Amino acid sequence: NAGVTQTPKFQVLKTGQSMTLQCAQDMNHNSMYWYRQDPGMGLRLIYYSASEGTTDKGEVPNGYNVSRLNKREFSLRLESAAPSQTSVYFCASSDVGAPGANVLTFGAGSRLTVL
Amino acid sequence: SQQGEEDPQALSIQEGENATMNCSYKTSINNLQWYRQNSGRGLVHLILIRSNEREKHSGRLRVTLDTSKKSSSLLITASRAADTASYFCATDGTASKLTFGTGTRLQVTL
Repeated sequence: NAGVTQTPKFQVLKTGQSMTLQCAQDMNHNSMYWYRQDPGMGLRLIYYSASEGTTDKGEVPNGYNVSRLNKREFSLRLESAAPSQTSVYFCASSDVGAPGANVLTFGAGSRLTVL
Repeated sequence: SQQGEEDPQALSIQEGENATMNCSYKTSINNLQWYRQNSGRGLVHLILIRSNEREKHSGRLRVTLDTSKKSSSLLITASRAADTASYFCATDGTASKLTFGTGTRLQVTL
């Protein structure tokens, strides 16, 4: 099983450019998440999708949009990138409601640099 | 805002020693989880402890939870070089969203 797959792994953007981070999971999980990780800040939730067709804001949603394309895929879009969005982005999924509770499976991360 | 705060921020020990890291949180929780992150990788789930449990074991891992003090500890016994990683606690408070702490960087030297 591939688990959670994120693309691209690395990306350099100029201020104002747009891009989409892609995420796909093959575990038939209902819920998917986008986190960003910055030094000394831990992981902060950007957006999440509790189930197909729904999305909700997390702690730091400004400057981002998401699309839950289907049960497998959850994309994160930066419409006009800013240097403050330089970070490592992690996609995760979980099967909320299952006996294991909300245990997350993470992708390998996407390192984004905005110049 | 961060729900969990790990302590210490960094820990360096020798192989074979025990490593203890602590997590404090602010609001009521349903469960608390610990994750490990190797350098340049995603987080990997280690162990989950529910709010009605006080202690849980998994291999060389021992987790305790004190809901009255809103704190948890992760003990790794007989540490190995391969345990070198960052360790994060995560709490499940509302809407099944996990909130992560800032992490403890563990360095295990030979």
